[in-house]
Order: sequence, then structure tokens, then C-alpha cells
Amino acid sequence: ETGVTQSPTHLIKTRGQQVTLRCSSQSGHNTVSWYQQALGQGPQFIFQYYREEENGRGNFPPRFSGLQFPNYSSELNVNALELDDSALYLCASSLETSGANVLTFGAGSRLTVL
Amino acid sequence: EDQVTQSPEALRLQEGESSSLNCSYTVSGLRGLFWYRQDPGKGPEFLFTLYSAGEEKEKERLKATLTKKESFLHITAPKPEDSATYLCAVQAWSRGGADGLTFGKGTHLIIQP
Repeated sequence: ETGVTQSPTHLIKTRGQQVTLRCSSQSGHNTVSWYQQALGQGPQFIFQYYREEENGRGNFPPRFSGLQFPNYSSELNVNALELDDSALYLCASSLETSGANVLTFGAGSRLTVL
Repeated sequence: EDQVTQSPEALRLQEGESSSLNCSYTVSGLRGLFWYRQDPGKGPEFLFTLYSAGEEKEKERLKATLTKKESFLHITAPKPEDSATYLCAVQAWSRGGADGLTFGKGTHLIIQP
């Protein structure tokens, strides 16, 4: 097992720009989800992908989008960045089962929007 | 809407001083309640999943319990390496599509030597 890896670890963007964050899921996991964690807050669910299709979304606008690829990698794209988008973005992979899904998180990508 | 409230927000203990962290939740239908540990600059690390009221799980100095409205994380004789933020989260049975986890804000625990 290689765990979940994310890149980049840190990045700085300016308001209005676009950003792509990348994630490599744990081998064998068919589901990837993304979370946003603001400073001092718990993670908030952005969306989930299962077998390369989005199958769940939290309360985030369409400028947050994603992709999941067959090789266990995925992307989170954010367009028209706003100051409030500054946060730690966490990727988590899991194996979709009939029970509760245990998420394996990466270390995150810290985005600062100036 | 699912909600999770954790208390206290922060807790400072002496090494060996046992205590409990609280997680109050409301959820339409509980699929699972999770406890995670998060160290500074890292992603959350899975500790426990609880599924139904009355269930208990233990790991080293940690013990998690579940009722219909709350979960407790009991820490017995903690050590400085137990210092971290402890996150509670719930997952509801899906109403169509996938529901992610709803997290609380966490309890920041500091164990002083």
C-alpha cells in the first residue's frame, strides 16, 4: 500500500486565477473524494467520484470541478479563485462498500489566494 | 441537515490525566460515526468507526463509545504523543448519490509532560 499522495503541497495564487490540485489514490480504492479545510475548522465535503463519475457533491459552486482517472489519480480544479478559497484541500480515497466508508486521507495541498 | 458539534474546542491535560472528548450529532440515518486524529500539517488519520448505539471500540489508550445522540472518545493515561486535533464525523445513508462525511470542528488536545 502506498497511501494517498497529493501535489503540490503548497501554492499561492491571486484572485481570479485557476488552480489544479492532484491526487494519487491508494491502490485498489475505487472512490475518491475531496474536502476543503479552512483554518481552525473541520473538513467540508466538496464532491466524490466513483468509477470516474461524480456521484455526490457538497455545498460548493460549479467552479469547483474534478476528474478521476483509471490509474487511481484524480484532480480538483477551481476556477475564478476567491480569497475565501484559501484553505487546505484534502484528497481521500476509499473502497465503496455496503457499509460505512473508511477514508484514507492525503496530507493535503495548502492553497493561499491573495 | 446533518450536524456535528465537538466539545471542548481545546483541552490541556497533564501526562497521565485521563479525560473524555464529546461529539454530539444529528443525522437523518446513521451509516457510521468516525473518529480521526489530525496532526499539524497532515491529513486526518483514521482511528475508529462506530455503527450503532452501545458499540465500543478500543485502541491503545483510546476508547470510543456511541449513543443515539453522542459519541465519546475516552483517553486513559495520555502521553505527550497523544497531542493532536481529534475530529468526529458522521456519514448518513445516501438519499441518492453519495453523501460525504460531515465533520465537527475538532478538539485540540495538548498533553503536557
